[in-house]
Amino acid sequence: GQNIDQPTEMTATEGAIVQINCTYQTSGFNGLFWYQQHAGEAPTFLSYNVLDGLEEKGRFSSFLSRSKGYSYLLLKELQMKDSASYLCALYTGGFKTIFGAGTRLFVKA
Amino acid sequence: GAVVSQHPSRVICKSGTSVKIECRSLDFQATTMFWYRQFPKKSLMLMATSNEGSKATYEQGVEKDKFLINHASLTLSTLTVTSAHPEDSSFYICSARDEEGPGNTIYFGEGSWLTVV
Repeated sequence: GQNIDQPTEMTATEGAIVQINCTYQTSGFNGLFWYQQHAGEAPTFLSYNVLDGLEEKGRFSSFLSRSKGYSYLLLKELQMKDSASYLCALYTGGFKTIFGAGTRLFVKA
Repeated sequence: GAVVSQHPSRVICKSGTSVKIECRSLDFQATTMFWYRQFPKKSLMLMATSNEGSKATYEQGVEKDKFLINHASLTLSTLTVTSAHPEDSSFYICSARDEEGPGNTIYFGEGSWLTVV
């Protein structure tokens, strides 16, 4: 089976940088997703990592290390609108996406 | 980017009645769609995988006779909650797999808030 761990909550200051970690145990997967979900809304796609390394996309970057079972999402120049839940998810060979519980990020002024 | 539309966004129904939720992929064909349920401050729980032209695959513990899924075309899947009860009140989200996108990216519908009174 799969197991995904993320911190439950994090707080950061506007303009700062925050790193949200995700560790997982799985027998195999195709890639790892990060999604953003604002309260009461559906998740929106942020990134997809297949290979080890860092993928940068504007203020958001995502890192994957398959050997360590570890990923992180890095958010730079935090804005108030970045307050949301961030979901780490594994895309498995069965074409399913298994989600972590999510990390609620609070951005304060 | 790819868009998935879900309707209705909010619905209130009486206990014992049935309610249908639609999920449409607007600019791509989706042979596979997924239905999730989410309780407040909880993660998404996969209910079933909807396969175009065949029966849905339900996750363990999900009653297939209560949550009817139909995937009649490459752009539409429906979830019908039958004989709804207050404990079925939840946020239901569909997603569709864009087979042309990177890593078969999953895109989500806007979600449907179901309240059973």
